[in-house]
Amino acid sequence: AQRVTQPEKLLSVFKGAPVELKCNYSYSGSPELFWYVQYSRQRLQLLLRHISRESIKGFTADLNKGETSFHLKKPFAQEEDSAMYYCALSRTGNQFYFGTGTSLTVIP
Amino acid sequence: DSGVTQTPKHLITATGQRVTLRCSPRSGDLSVYWYQQSLDQGLQFLIQYYNGEERAKGNILERFSAQQFPDLHSELNLSSLELGDSALYFCASSFRAGRQETQYFGPGTRLLVL
Repeated sequence: AQRVTQPEKLLSVFKGAPVELKCNYSYSGSPELFWYVQYSRQRLQLLLRHISRESIKGFTADLNKGETSFHLKKPFAQEEDSAMYYCALSRTGNQFYFGTGTSLTVIP
Repeated sequence: DSGVTQTPKHLITATGQRVTLRCSPRSGDLSVYWYQQSLDQGLQFLIQYYNGEERAKGNILERFSAQQFPDLHSELNLSSLELGDSALYFCASSFRAGRQETQYFGPGTRLLVL
């Protein structure tokens, strides 16, 4: 069963515009949710996790249990934000489930 | 640099062959995960080891196997290779602090099956 869905494979926004990368999940328990980012020719790295309620590089993500969503948002996109973004869900102590990823392009 | 290392960086081989990919986790991390990243399927979880024992299995084919050694490094063995096995293979190690578990990814091994 698909646990993490990222409906947009590709997303393009202009520099300075708001950006939202969508992530929906299906899980009956209390999941841990993450966003990972992969810049060109680099390894995946953790961007943020819901439990920390942090803002990294201007990105935030709020866990909405009612809508089972964990969308990633940034009010003003920058060119350096162009990358592949993966939403991930973790069952406590066990495997991680990744979405298929969204490729974000920020147009100058 | 996450501290997770993978070798080799690139691997080119032929169909029907067998290869071994190696992963060294960050110092202190007990869990190792293997993932396959292909263009059309995104990041697919293959298998997880924790302190030498298999903990969880994902979409891993029977032709693939893995193990984690006492020094905690891990190897992923891919046999009877097919063209469709061409992909980027990542390993990640994880650290858990309280409720928080964070995965740190290696640079990946790019496998090309000709």
